[in-house]
Amino acid sequence: DAKTTQPPSMDCAEGRAANLPCNHSTISGNEYVYWYRQIHSQGPQYIIHGLKNNETNEMASLIITEDRKSSTLILPHATLRDTAVYYCIVSARPQGAQKLVFGQGTRLTINP
Amino acid sequence: GAVVSQHPSWVICKSGTSVKIECRSLDFQATTMFWYRQFPKQSLMLMATSNEGSKATYEQGVEKDKFLINHASLTLSTLTVTSAHPEDSSFYICSARDLRTSSYEQYFGPGTRLTVT
Repeated sequence: DAKTTQPPSMDCAEGRAANLPCNHSTISGNEYVYWYRQIHSQGPQYIIHGLKNNETNEMASLIITEDRKSSTLILPHATLRDTAVYYCIVSARPQGAQKLVFGQGTRLTINP
Repeated sequence: GAVVSQHPSWVICKSGTSVKIECRSLDFQATTMFWYRQFPKQSLMLMATSNEGSKATYEQGVEKDKFLINHASLTLSTLTVTSAHPEDSSFYICSARDLRTSSYEQYFGPGTRLTVT
């Protein structure tokens, strides 16, 4: 699986959009970009995933560059409950089991 | 969304004893379950992948005789830490997905905090 690079920490004001970048320059054609987050002492929570098109759901938007070497997760109106570690993961669409290899993630702090 | 539970949520045991952690998918059938370990202020590390009815596949460096995984049904997987030592103290998290659906989502349990004294 391709490796990802994320900033170790970010701050964002409550109510503003939080934009979390991720670099995955070695991503291959069959690999998807997944985003999960982990609130302190809980299990990770799925946020969104995409292949090459931009995606949006009730939680966030995912913007993937045309060359697919980087992406940005956007939380449109961040709240204090969005404070968590956000993980960007690249993984192939599974024919069998899907392994998620977690990097160090970005610790996002939403400030009041 | 689908729910995965873990039991116990926390456990304290003495060095040399064995501890069993259960992972259950409550409203879906999990053909595949994954076990992760997370040390304080570190990321999740995948330990093993377990497929229902077959032997688990362990990641490199994870001792299969120490971390026994059983996935005998489509809703339950267990992780047994045998002869636990203080260095096994960690946060153990399971996840599950149903390969028979098109869902790409992996559902995580709330984790089990193991402390070995």
